[in-house]
Amino acid sequence: EIVMTQSPATLSVSPGERATLSCRASQSVSRNLAWYQQKPGQAPRLLIYAASTRATGIPARFSGSGSGTEFTLTINSLQSEDFAVYHCQQYNNWPPWTFGQGTKVEIK
Amino acid sequence: QVQLQESGPGLVKPSETLSLTCAVSDYSISSGFYWGWIRQPPGNGLEWIGSIYHSGSTYYNPSLKSRVTISVDTSKNQFSLRLSSVTAADTAVYYCARALGGVMSNWFDPWGQGTLVTVSS
Repeated sequence: EIVMTQSPATLSVSPGERATLSCRASQSVSRNLAWYQQKPGQAPRLLIYAASTRATGIPARFSGSGSGTEFTLTINSLQSEDFAVYHCQQYNNWPPWTFGQGTKVEIK
Repeated sequence: QVQLQESGPGLVKPSETLSLTCAVSDYSISSGFYWGWIRQPPGNGLEWIGSIYHSGSTYYNPSLKSRVTISVDTSKNQFSLRLSSVTAADTAVYYCARALGGVMSNWFDPWGQGTLVTVSS
């Protein structure tokens, strides 16, 4: 089973600043990685798939990069609605598909 | 756009079977895609449980495989989850979702709103 490790666990950022979130896989997942945003009491929402492709309706301030074992989600000019928990998920090696433990982006 | 809605008991006794249904609207399950179940214990991360195709083909998380059954009812446009011999460790919010990418790769969009299932006597 591939273990996904996200860092940091919590990221404190001021509105308007950039947030950089990391996701590391225990072995290569190529570019088969997705990112989700989850707000309190809500279901996750797909942001990015194939490491860098934005899902439909996702603003351009969200961008993904990386391949192999190292991935980054960058949120430029953080808006108030962006403060949430972000999860990464690999879908290269199955079963099972696995998720990271999440990074909480909070207001500094 | 496709919408998913979970339903089922919010409280299940230890050793019993958890049963949930996911109703899909604005899209016919028979048209394609895989459909999945994912859960999230309180304060924890997400865990994929399993996925099913409209034909009934399934694949499960090995850690749960011995206790999980996912089925599909195309006439009702819904799919279901059964998890047997539950313990407190199965307490979680259970989500259903459409699985994109095909049999060899699943990412999930959209998701249902989720339903909390508590295992307690």
